[in-house]
Amino acid sequence: DQQVKQNSPSLSVQEGRISILNCDYTNSMFDYFLWYKKYPAEGPTFLISISSIKDKNEDGRFTVFLNKSAKHLSLHIVPSQPGDSAVYFCAASDFGGGGADGLTFGKGTHLIIQP
Amino acid sequence: EPEVTQTPSHQVTQMGQEVILRCVPISNHLYFYWYRQILGQKVEFLVSFYNNEISEKSEIFDDQFSVERPDGSNFTLKIRSTKLEDSAMYFCASSEVEDTEAFFGQGTRLTVV
Repeated sequence: DQQVKQNSPSLSVQEGRISILNCDYTNSMFDYFLWYKKYPAEGPTFLISISSIKDKNEDGRFTVFLNKSAKHLSLHIVPSQPGDSAVYFCAASDFGGGGADGLTFGKGTHLIIQP
Repeated sequence: EPEVTQTPSHQVTQMGQEVILRCVPISNHLYFYWYRQILGQKVEFLVSFYNNEISEKSEIFDDQFSVERPDGSNFTLKIRSTKLEDSAMYFCASSEVEDTEAFFGQGTRLTVV
């Protein structure tokens, strides 16, 4: 049961252009969404998050958009840089449900920034 | 910058043996987690821990697994009677307060042979 889906296993983008990574979820109880970035042989690194009460959150080159009615979120990176090449995980949680809930991760999208 | 540290980075063990994976969470964090990632699959939640007890656990976290905070700094995951399918990367994470972003360690690669 894939509650968080990242349908693109990989994405190739030219340096300087916009990278758009997509994520869909099925569990309507999810109320907090996060993006993590992962380099080989390292743990996931927190990038940006968004609460379900918002539809956009921006931090520097990274913007996350949330469309609750479509159960869809996206991460925009602009401009894309070579150091952005990594696997990006979408994650979600039902924080409003109480308890220190774990995160439900998607399978990840491998972003490759071409020079 | 404070970070979550995990030891060892790689553990090889024989099937049926017990292993203990160790983690030192960020010092002012109060919530601790274990996740695993089987090769080629997604990162999966195992357990969360707060105030010296398990807060939440997934169906993966059965009686084979246990967690402990033996002192003020370490957080451990014990896997009893390891099976081949326990081979995975195990990530420890911690968060400052409940329901905030978790910070992950670099992982321990467990190989059961």
